[in-house]
Amino acid sequence: NAGVTQTPKFQVLKTGQSMTLQCAQDMNHEYMSWYRQDPGMGLRLIHYSVGAGITDQGEVPNGYNVSRSTTEDFPLRLLSAAPSQTSVYFCASSYGRGSTEAFFGQGTRLTVV
Amino acid sequence: GQQVMQIPQYQHVQEGEDFTTYCNSSTTLSNIQWYKQRPGGHPVFLIQLVKSGEVKKQKRLTFQFGEAKKNSSLHITATQTTDVGTYFCAGPNTGNQFYFGTGTSLTVIP
Repeated sequence: NAGVTQTPKFQVLKTGQSMTLQCAQDMNHEYMSWYRQDPGMGLRLIHYSVGAGITDQGEVPNGYNVSRSTTEDFPLRLLSAAPSQTSVYFCASSYGRGSTEAFFGQGTRLTVV
Repeated sequence: GQQVMQIPQYQHVQEGEDFTTYCNSSTTLSNIQWYKQRPGGHPVFLIQLVKSGEVKKQKRLTFQFGEAKKNSSLHITATQTTDVGTYFCAGPNTGNQFYFGTGTSLTVIP
């Protein structure tokens, strides 16, 4: 029972570099989302998807891209990393559209220098 | 846009004392969820409340949903060191996407 798997767990980037945070779930959940967590600001929604081929923006989408080609995978791309993107990133999945329990991955701690 | 605010941001209690965190939404919520995040960990689902005025208990934890469905609370009786962590409430917006509150960080002093 893997649940939600995020890779990598830690990453250091230089300003301007790009990278992809991977997220995969094996629970056949339609709903997946990405959050960033910063001290004192809770979990802020970046992007979400209600199914394969469908994505939408959350509260803080600037600087990030997503795609959902399969039900299982929902990668998050940083286009040109900035120090303001230093954060802990969590991927989550659930059966329903915000009305059922969300399962979170272990998180990716990203530092942009 | 929707805002979900939590108070307090931090709480330090002696082991055995009670603890309460409050969650307030700027809009009426169809339901509200609570999550716990241990230090260095990821959020883990605790419970969901759906009905106006609903009260649910899990051992020493009591969850309430306000009559107007715009606020909620989590009360822990006789805290233990295992209760340490950050507690988040989360509620759906009109598109049924979940927005999380700012969280309350609980420290339990042995």
